Formats: sequence, C-alpha cells, structure tokens
Amino acid sequence: EAQVTQNPRYLITVTGKKLTVTCSQNMNHEYMSWYRQDPGLGLRQIYYSMNVEVTDKGDVPEGYKVSRKEKRNFPLILESPSPNQTSLYFCASSLLSRAPTGELFFGEGSRLTVL
Amino acid sequence: KNEVEQSPQNLTAQEGEFITINCSYSVGISALHWLQQHPGGGIVSLFMLSSGKKKHGRLIATINIQEKHSSLHITASHPRDSAVYICAVHFGNEKLTFGTGTRLTIIP
Repeated sequence: EAQVTQNPRYLITVTGKKLTVTCSQNMNHEYMSWYRQDPGLGLRQIYYSMNVEVTDKGDVPEGYKVSRKEKRNFPLILESPSPNQTSLYFCASSLLSRAPTGELFFGEGSRLTVL
Repeated sequence: KNEVEQSPQNLTAQEGEFITINCSYSVGISALHWLQQHPGGGIVSLFMLSSGKKKHGRLIATINIQEKHSSLHITASHPRDSAVYICAVHFGNEKLTFGTGTRLTIIP
C-alpha cells in the first residue's frame, strides 16, 4: 500500500530535549516536505527536499533541521525544542521534484507538545 | 508578498445543496492544490491544477489563471463532505503557500 508514515504520532517532551520525527514514504517520490499546522495560522511549510541531499527552507524553518540521506526518508529534527514548537506536524511527498509536483500524499500527522 | 486567500471561512449548508469554495492568490502560480482535512486531522489531496477544470465524482475544481482564482465545487452535498477544505499554491517554485481553509458543515 502506498503510504507516508510518520513517527511518533503523539509526543510530549520538555524544553531543550532533542527529538526527531521520522517520515518515510514507499512510493519512490522525489519531493518530500514538512509542515506545521496551528490554530488560526493554518498549514505552513517548514522545509522541503527535491531529492537526496537537496533540501531548502520553507516559510518557518527556524528551530528545525532536516536531512535527506535516502530517498525514502526525511526526518525532522528539533535540536532544542521550545514551547512555541508545540504543534501538529505533517510530512508529505509527491512524485516530482519540480513544480507542479503532482499529487501530494500526506502522513497522518504528529502531535507534539513541548512543556 | 505571495498570499493565498480563501472564502468563505465557514460554510453551513443543507444536504443536497451545491457548494462553492473560493481561492484567490496574489501573483502568478505554477500549480494549485485542493486538499481535504477531516476531523481527526488526516489530509487528503483532492486535485492539482495548472489550468482549466478537473472533475472527480461530485467534486469539480476550476482555475482561472488570468483572474488568479480557483473554485472547488461540490454537487449534491452529503454530510460526509463535512471537512476543512484547503487551497495550496506553488508560486512558481517548489515551496507551498496555504490558505487558512474553509470549514464546511453539511446538515442532514
């Protein structure tokens, strides 16, 4: 089954404790991306990747890191989480790396709370 | 500034009604996505458009490049169509900018 898998789905952590949210897709997609969703602000893009070892900033990259060492995986790293990073996070992928990128496939979301 | 606006923010309708949700953007784009998010959070892609019109079942999406406007229509609406509908735009590159969504409620 074609899917995008995020882990963990739910996480409560404390300020400053490094964490990684994993994202994996099994569709051989070139394009992968991370978004956060906050009430009143909607979805905002954090980082995206057009292929292995090619990443670029979205609109809200501060406080986050990403890497794309393999085509299927695109982890989101919070080196020193802060309470303002409490949010619902989505990973997505699509076939093509150039806009228009094709249909977007989303993971189920990861709800992160930073105390 | 690259901006995406959706209207209305909230829409309540009776089952069977024809629904229209609008998306306007500020400058030229390379593509536009319509997404659906049900309560519980999962996001599903409905359409990707660069021009013209697409249809899938009871859903129709149109885009007018000159007017910088797209519409999502739902015919014969049903309570299971109740969800948040989100417009997302590529402003000529691979970044995506999202509208704030339209919350649709269909009453039986």
